[in-house]
Amino acid sequence: RKEVEQDPGPFNVPEGATVAFNCTYSNSASQSFFWYRQDCRKEPKLLMSVYSSGNEDGRFTAQLNRASQYISLLIRDSKLSDSATYLCVVNRGNSGGYQKVTFGTGTKLQVIP
Amino acid sequence: EPEVTQTPSHQVTQMGQEVILRCVPISNHLYFYWYRQILGQKVEFLVSFYNNEISEKSEIFDDQFSVERPDGSNFTLKIRSTKLEDSAMYFCASSPGTRGLNEQFFGPGTRLTVL
Repeated sequence: RKEVEQDPGPFNVPEGATVAFNCTYSNSASQSFFWYRQDCRKEPKLLMSVYSSGNEDGRFTAQLNRASQYISLLIRDSKLSDSATYLCVVNRGNSGGYQKVTFGTGTKLQVIP
Repeated sequence: EPEVTQTPSHQVTQMGQEVILRCVPISNHLYFYWYRQILGQKVEFLVSFYNNEISEKSEIFDDQFSVERPDGSNFTLKIRSTKLEDSAMYFCASSPGTRGLNEQFFGPGTRLTVL
């Protein structure tokens, strides 16, 4: 089983739609979780950290389910500018210096006018 | 807003040559990373660096690779003898290192082309 798994998509959704992505991780020792977005041929940009209690930032909501070892990202009222690849990132690091970061392959979102 | 910078943006080299990719992390960050992304593929972790030493490296990061923080601001990745399969985008990232989530911020990348 891959350490971090995502559905590669593409997800083609109309403007204004709600879309959700899931990401599963295999290592229960994973400690921190993030969603990044990556535009074509650009660097990953941090979208949201994922907190145990779930968190929301405007149209974006992230959830963590430790028991089932998955994280999710919900995008409401999709905009054309949301078209990108969404990367799930899992870190097994600690504050003592150890950092083991694994990226998922990404889920491609295309928002259609 | 502070950001990670990388130079050069594009490096073309002949197979077997040495290349050094340069990064300036965000100034008060404590953790530094290198990643690579082969065209069309996922972002792959290469190495993390903390307290002037490597804290973790992947199986990709073999003896051909090395990292250095030669002064208080630069963080470099050296590939000793490049191979065709080293052609990729190389991203540098840094994170603050505070307890908790340790979010990483990425530079714009260096596109390495090995001929």
